[in-house]
Amino acid sequence: NAGVMQNPRHLVRRRGQEARLRCSPMKGHSHVYWYRQLPEEGLKFMVYLQKENIIDESGMPKERFSAEFPKEGPSILRIQQVVRGDSAAYFCASSFFDRQETQYFGPGTRLLVL
Amino acid sequence: QKEVEQNSGPLSVPEGAIASLNCTYSDRGSQSFFWYRQYSGKSPELIMFIYSNGDKEDGRFTAQLNKASQYVSLLIRDSQPSDSATYLCAVNPPTGNQFYFGTGTSLTVIP
Repeated sequence: NAGVMQNPRHLVRRRGQEARLRCSPMKGHSHVYWYRQLPEEGLKFMVYLQKENIIDESGMPKERFSAEFPKEGPSILRIQQVVRGDSAAYFCASSFFDRQETQYFGPGTRLLVL
Repeated sequence: QKEVEQNSGPLSVPEGAIASLNCTYSDRGSQSFFWYRQYSGKSPELIMFIYSNGDKEDGRFTAQLNKASQYVSLLIRDSQPSDSATYLCAVNPPTGNQFYFGTGTSLTVIP
C-alpha cells in the first residue's frame, strides 16, 4: 500500500549542475502535481501532468525547468544549471483523476545547491 | 494580492482548548477548499476539505466556509500537543486542478 514515492529524499548539487527529481504516484493515480516550498514560505504550484501530457505548467519557470510524466515510469522534474535560489523542498502530489480530495503528497526531495 | 492569505502566527493554545485557524482567498470563483497539516521537515497531509458554505465536522476538526466573505477556517477542539504543526490552507481555483496554498499558520499546543 505504497503512497506517493519521491527520490532522492535529499540531493546536493553544485551551481551549474543538473538536478533530476523523481516521483512515483500512488497506485491508481493518474494525475501528478509538482510544488516547491522555499524556506519559511508556502507551497507554490509548479506543474500539473497526466500520463504523457503536461496539463498546466503556469507555475514553472520558463527557463531551466522541465517536467515529464512518461507512459512508463515515474514523473521527472528536471532543473538544469541549478542556482542557489533553487534550494528548496520539492513535493510531488498525485490524485485519482481530477479528484482534488484525493491529492496526497510524497515525502519531498530536499535540494541543496552549493 | 496573494491568492490565499493566512496569519503566520505563531498561535499558542493550552492543551484542551479550541484552536482557531483562519484563511482568506481572493478568487471569488474558487470552489473547493482544503486544510493540510505539515510537521516540521515532513510533507503536508490532508486533514479536511469543504466545498459548501457552512460547517463540516470530522472528529475534533471542524472546517467552516463562508464564500460571501471569501473566508475559510479550521477549528481544532480539545487541542493536543500532537496537533502542534503548521496548518496550510489550500484553495482550488475555478480553472485547473492545482492548489494555491497559504504560507501556513504555526500552531503550538502547550501541555
